[in-house]
Amino acid sequence: NAGVTQTPKFRILKIGQSMTLQCTQDMNHNYMYWYRQDPGMGLKLIYYSVGAGITDKGEVPNGYNVSRSTTEDFPLRLELAAPSQTSVYFCASSYSVPHTRGRGYGYTFGSGTRLTVV
Amino acid sequence: DAKTTQPNSMESNEEEPVHLPCNHSTISGTDYIHWYRQLPSQGPEYVIHGLTSNVNNRMASLAIAEDRKSSTLILHRATLRDAAVYYCILRDPYTNAGKSTFGDGTTLTVKP
Repeated sequence: NAGVTQTPKFRILKIGQSMTLQCTQDMNHNYMYWYRQDPGMGLKLIYYSVGAGITDKGEVPNGYNVSRSTTEDFPLRLELAAPSQTSVYFCASSYSVPHTRGRGYGYTFGSGTRLTVV
Repeated sequence: DAKTTQPNSMESNEEEPVHLPCNHSTISGTDYIHWYRQLPSQGPEYVIHGLTSNVNNRMASLAIAEDRKSSTLILHRATLRDAAVYYCILRDPYTNAGKSTFGDGTTLTVKP
């Protein structure tokens, strides 16, 4: 299993450009999440999805959009990039039902996308 | 979402036990307590989770207070590789789509 795969790992955008951050998981998790992490800070939830075709806003959704057409994929779209969106973006997935053993209900995170907007 | 409170930083000596505290006084009956750690330039990594009873795995132990308003992550013998930011979060599988609020965590420094 590859787990949660994020691409690209690094990207520099100019102000006003758009891009899509890709996230794919191969664990058949129905819950997926996008977080951003600013330097020295914790993670803030941008958007989340409980299954294909269902998405909802988190704490900081402005300037972003998501879609979930399949269980595996949960891309994050940035429209009209701004310097305030400079951050590290993490995608995560999990089962919806807590398992009594192991990490079954824990988040699995991707390795992140480091985005700089100049 | 229920919030957690952790100390900003802690220090430990190598090969000594480390107790990382977390307060969650507004925890609900269906919240699971999770711990994650984040090494420099990496994504957070699952460590352990529990509901009411203490839990052990190969990485750590989780001690949960009887009233569930606090918990402690125990690393039995700290190594230099345990230096990381540790996050304590709450996840409710039955409401809120299991989404969680991550605070700033505890930065653990391990001294040789």
